[in-house]
Amino acid sequence: EVQLVESGGGLVQRGGSLRLSCVGSGFTFSNYWMNWVRQAPGKGLEWVANIRQTGSETFYVDSVKGRFTISRDNAKNSLYLQMNSLRAEDTAVYYCARTPGTTRFFDNWGQGTLVAVSS
Amino acid sequence: EIVLTQSPATLSVSPGERATLSCRASQSVNSDLAWYQHKPGQAPRLLIYGASTRATGIPARFSGSGSGTEFTLTISSLQSEDFAVYYCQQYNKWPPQYTFGQGTKLEIK
Repeated sequence: EVQLVESGGGLVQRGGSLRLSCVGSGFTFSNYWMNWVRQAPGKGLEWVANIRQTGSETFYVDSVKGRFTISRDNAKNSLYLQMNSLRAEDTAVYYCARTPGTTRFFDNWGQGTLVAVSS
Repeated sequence: EIVLTQSPATLSVSPGERATLSCRASQSVNSDLAWYQHKPGQAPRLLIYGASTRATGIPARFSGSGSGTEFTLTISSLQSEDFAVYYCQQYNKWPPQYTFGQGTKLEIK
């Protein structure tokens, strides 16, 4: 069974930093693009970033470019999101999600971890 | 940026009836559209990809149609577990700037 488990969320002050982690199991982690998607309170889903299987390519939504960094450690089946210069509008539940094969949708998601940025 | 507009925002339907949800794209996304079901406190669940292909394990009562800018998710004979929020997502562009619709809340009438 495919499982994705996020951790690392919490309460942080505006301007602060936080590092999220996601551990995958039940599949060959190194074979998949991986993503972070977030949902602000009362809002819809927003794709944040993704990373190629090897970590050689990364992409970001414009609102987080220069502040967030996505990375992975395939030996640990882990995905990360380093979040710096956090803003109130970054408050959200952050999900990691898997992209199958050469497609670009998300076939498995974690349960999410909550990030709250206080002002 | 491709904007997806879902309608209606809220849909009230009785169990056993049919629900039809719409998603309109601001420009053509061909068939690069997925639908997800999301319940509070749970992981989103992929229902449909390629506009009309059911994901693994998704019941046949879920069907997707459309291409270009107009898409529909139909749930025939609603079950109690189907009441949730549904999102469409486009994945047409590269480099990726994936976008979601704002969601349709399907509630029990």
